[in-house]
Amino acid sequence: NAGVTQTPKFQVLKTGQSMTLQCAQDMNHEYMSWYRQDPGMGLRLIHYSVGAGITDQGEVPNGYNVSRSTTEDFPLRLLSAAPSQTSVYFCASSYSGQGDSPLHFGNGTRLTVT
Amino acid sequence: TQLLEQSPQFLSIQEGENLTVYCNSSSVFSSLQWYRQEPGEGPVLLVTVVTGGEVKKLKRLTFQFGDARKDSSLHITAAQPGDTGLYLCAGENSGYALNFGKGTSLLVTP
Repeated sequence: NAGVTQTPKFQVLKTGQSMTLQCAQDMNHEYMSWYRQDPGMGLRLIHYSVGAGITDQGEVPNGYNVSRSTTEDFPLRLLSAAPSQTSVYFCASSYSGQGDSPLHFGNGTRLTVT
Repeated sequence: TQLLEQSPQFLSIQEGENLTVYCNSSSVFSSLQWYRQEPGEGPVLLVTVVTGGEVKKLKRLTFQFGDARKDSSLHITAAQPGDTGLYLCAGENSGYALNFGKGTSLLVTP
């Protein structure tokens, strides 16, 4: 049982480049989300999804796009990378997305934008 | 966004000492979760507290949810080097956005 799998683990981009961070879960969770973690800022919610075909914005959505075509996958797209997007990105899933349903996190993607 | 304040931000102690970490907010939460994160990994859930005044124990870790459901504490008895990590609290008010505190970074030295 792999849980939540994120790829790649590390990525370096130049300003203006685009890329997709991949996230897949094998727990049949309806809820999936993306967080970014920056020093001194904690974990901040970027986007989330409560099921296939449904997405919504979190606290810091600007510069990021998401889609949810299947229950298993929730990719995060950076259309035009900026240095401010240098961060560690975590994908997380849970059964329901409610507070009594724990989040299962992947091991993160460390992104550097130069 | 409901703000969760964690204190202290950093804590360095020796093996065998006791410590308490705090998570405070001006908002009422329907539930609160505690996670531990180790370097290079994602956070892992330790406990969820739901009822005001609730106390949960996980081996040497004791978690308490405030009576008014606005704050929580984590107490570690006789800390060990394996307890080293970033401790995060996260609260759910309504909807699907779990709000995280900035974390307490704990270092336990032998």
